[in-house]
Amino acid sequence: GIQVEQSPPDLILQEGANSTLRCNFSDSVNNLQWFHQNPWGQLINLFYIPSGTKQNGRLSATTVATERYSLLYISSSQTTDSGVYFCAVVDSGNTPLVFGKGTRLSVIA
Amino acid sequence: DGGITQSPKYLFRKEGQNVTLSCEQNLNHDAMYWYRQDPGQGLRLIYYSQIVNDFQKGDIAEGYSVSREKKESFPLTVTSAQKNPTAFYLCASSYRGPPTTGELFFGEGSRLTVL
Repeated sequence: GIQVEQSPPDLILQEGANSTLRCNFSDSVNNLQWFHQNPWGQLINLFYIPSGTKQNGRLSATTVATERYSLLYISSSQTTDSGVYFCAVVDSGNTPLVFGKGTRLSVIA
Repeated sequence: DGGITQSPKYLFRKEGQNVTLSCEQNLNHDAMYWYRQDPGQGLRLIYYSQIVNDFQKGDIAEGYSVSREKKESFPLTVTSAQKNPTAFYLCASSYRGPPTTGELFFGEGSRLTVL
């Protein structure tokens, strides 16, 4: 099945810094989503982005489907951005959403 | 409000007991999913359903069972055959199932601890 790799696995930032999280996938995709898992475990939808670029406030995402990667940009990070960021994909077969192992982000005041 | 409701949020059970986790959605979504998350890990698919009275096994279905008698409901039973049931369980839904899956939305999760 499709493989999803996220990097880096862990990231520590000073408040106000910018960061880029990467998601590589091994096959073509019909669906790609970015999620933020908060300290209580809830998964918050950030972007539904099988291709192209989207922005939502301080966050933006770009998926280059032909090169099989997606990037999540966080600008001017805040302590509330801390948590785990997951990338998940649906391939062109009949498989539901497959998750990467996540990037754990810690933003320090 | 439209959304996905999971219950209970926390559950403690003795080894050897079956437990059932509830998942209800009022988004009028056709497809529903159950994922399991272990500490420090990503999510792994247990079962999914694209239509009432039909469901498919995911990557780690052994020791679990599901039913889909109503569009809104997709309960998960963790049976005594599941060797390591302590985990965080997440239910999700989407307007359609694969391969035309749109955006998935998740409930708040149920944390099961087996003593």
